[in-house]
Amino acid sequence: GQQVMQIPQYQHVQEGEDFTTYCNSSTTLSNIQWYKQRPGGHPVFLIQLVKSGEVKKQKRLTFQFGEAKKNSSLHITATQTTDVGTYFCAGHNNDMRFGAGTRLTVKP
Amino acid sequence: NAGVTQTPKFQVLKTGQSMTLQCAQDMNHEYMSWYRQDPGMGLRLIHYSVGAGITDQGEVPNGYNVSRSTTEDFPLRLLSAAPSQTSVYFCASSATARPETQYFGPGTRLLVL
Repeated sequence: GQQVMQIPQYQHVQEGEDFTTYCNSSTTLSNIQWYKQRPGGHPVFLIQLVKSGEVKKQKRLTFQFGEAKKNSSLHITATQTTDVGTYFCAGHNNDMRFGAGTRLTVKP
Repeated sequence: NAGVTQTPKFQVLKTGQSMTLQCAQDMNHEYMSWYRQDPGMGLRLIHYSVGAGITDQGEVPNGYNVSRSTTEDFPLRLLSAAPSQTSVYFCASSATARPETQYFGPGTRLLVL
């Protein structure tokens, strides 16, 4: 069945450093979504990518969808303490499969 | 709008007990789903519904039942709780069954002894 793998599992950065998390699917996806979950909270939708090679930006966050629609990435420029949390990708084909998430911690 | 609400927030069960986790949304969303979240495994889809009267199985449906008698409510029933069902359960909804923004509830933390 469809599997979605996400790396790294953990990332600890100094405030101001950049951060990237990668998502890879075993099958071609129709679309991919990204979510952020703060510690003790619930997942919050960030963005959805649909087109091959699509790039979207939200302030310091840049999301990419691969040409083959099997991989995606989330890049945060100049991290802030408010970026702390776990970032999940969720790939959709016949159903929605979440990656295991990347937990980001930021040292002030 | 309250969005997606879940009750209870916390629950402790003994092995073999049954219970129902409640989920409600007031956004008139067609699509509702249940996920469980375990450490290091992300969120896994248990059951979902594309509209009132329609439900289907997700990735990990065993040990759980659902029904969708109204658009607003989507309860999740544990028939005979097992320690392996210790998890955090999230309900989510979206406007349609097409992939789009999913709104998650605050979650129910369940411990099965």
